[in-house]
Amino acid sequence: SYVLTQPPSVSVAPGQTATITCGGPNIGSKAVHWYQQKPGQAPVLVVYDDTERPSGIPERFSGSNSGKMATLTISRVEAGDEADYSCQVWDINSEHRGVFGPGTKVTVL
Amino acid sequence: QVQLQESGPGLVKPSETLSLTCTVSDGSVMRANYHWTWIRQSPGKGLEWLGYIDYSGRANYSPSLRSRVIISADTSKRQFFLEVTSVTAADTAVYYCAKTGLGRPEYFEQWGQGTLVAVSS
Repeated sequence: SYVLTQPPSVSVAPGQTATITCGGPNIGSKAVHWYQQKPGQAPVLVVYDDTERPSGIPERFSGSNSGKMATLTISRVEAGDEADYSCQVWDINSEHRGVFGPGTKVTVL
Repeated sequence: QVQLQESGPGLVKPSETLSLTCTVSDGSVMRANYHWTWIRQSPGKGLEWLGYIDYSGRANYSPSLRSRVIISADTSKRQFFLEVTSVTAADTAVYYCAKTGLGRPEYFEQWGQGTLVAVSS
């Protein structure tokens, strides 16, 4: 089965840039989607298909995907960006199913 | 923007069946090419995809839970449903229903608020 890896935590000062990575075998060949989840709330889609932003998501959120790593970048970090961020792909190798990464806790210092 | 709302018992006994309902605010959306999905999150853990039912009534399940999960829908009531049979403590989680992108089962653009289900005697 397909497994995604993420760092458990990332810390960033306000106004700086947070970079969250997501790894997996040949992940560059898959579309990666990213979700933001604040405590006690449902996840919110912030990036889909590697680089696309849903309406209402600030341009400060951007994504990329190449080789063995996908990345979510949050520019000009704000206190309200503190949350868990999970990457997700669709695994079609043997079964068609959704696979989530373990999540990364972003702490704004 | 369509709204989704989960409902169902918050406590289920071991070996029994967990049953949840997701109500969709706009019934017409259920006739479009979306995939109506269930996802859960165990306490302190990551998200786990359980499966979906599409607009034609076709269901697709997680391989690890396929023997215990059934997803169905009643579009006339603007609802879709989750059943998990023979539950154990490991099924304790917040359960979310979600709507995917149009024609795209791969990502989840709208989520319900989630409902906590505890498995305990």
